[in-house]
Amino acid sequence: SQTIHQWPATLVQPVGSPLSLECTVEGTSNPNLYWYRQAAGRGLQLLFYSVGIGQISSEVPQNLSASRPQDRQFILSSKKLLLSDSGFYLCAWRPPYGGTEAFFGQGTRLTVV
Amino acid sequence: QKEVEQDPGPLSVPEGAIVSLNCTYSNSAFQYFMWYRQYSRKGPELLMYTYSSGNKEDGRFTAQVDKSSKYISLFIRDSQPSDSATYLCAMSASNTGKLIFGQGTTLQVKP
Repeated sequence: SQTIHQWPATLVQPVGSPLSLECTVEGTSNPNLYWYRQAAGRGLQLLFYSVGIGQISSEVPQNLSASRPQDRQFILSSKKLLLSDSGFYLCAWRPPYGGTEAFFGQGTRLTVV
Repeated sequence: QKEVEQDPGPLSVPEGAIVSLNCTYSNSAFQYFMWYRQYSRKGPELLMYTYSSGNKEDGRFTAQVDKSSKYISLFIRDSQPSDSATYLCAMSASNTGKLIFGQGTTLQVKP
């Protein structure tokens, strides 16, 4: 069966510090991968998505970047965090063929102080 | 205008009530429609998935899609306190690429 791992679960970082959040998927190949951010009481804002290694589409210009160095690994990064980067970050995957539902990790709660 | 609109609520109902949750959208290319349930501080979990127009039923849950009106609904019958959560609609034009979510509706079912 397929599983998605996202870590860390909670993170407190000072303003100006770098960020690296990692997401990996097991049990499937060539998944579509997504990073979302959710502000308190709000919906999911799509940040990046990837349909293959090295292929990244950015939805919102901002202080973040994403990379997909391996087929089932998706990384969200920032060189210098801003207070406004605080939020709940969620990674998700979708099968490349057939079913189109997305499956989510448990999320990382980031607080920038 | 947002691509997907969803009333954030909150929506409060008594136990046993029928709940209706709705989303509207503007992109006529959307073909795949999903409903997710999210408990506080957790990742969303898939409830229902439908392709194109029509109805789909799964236990107490029914999803409806009306592409002509660009309107989707989720009905919950015999609502339970354990149904209290945030419900998010999501949709996409293809099985790859962008998956867009609504703002989510917070539901509280009171015993």
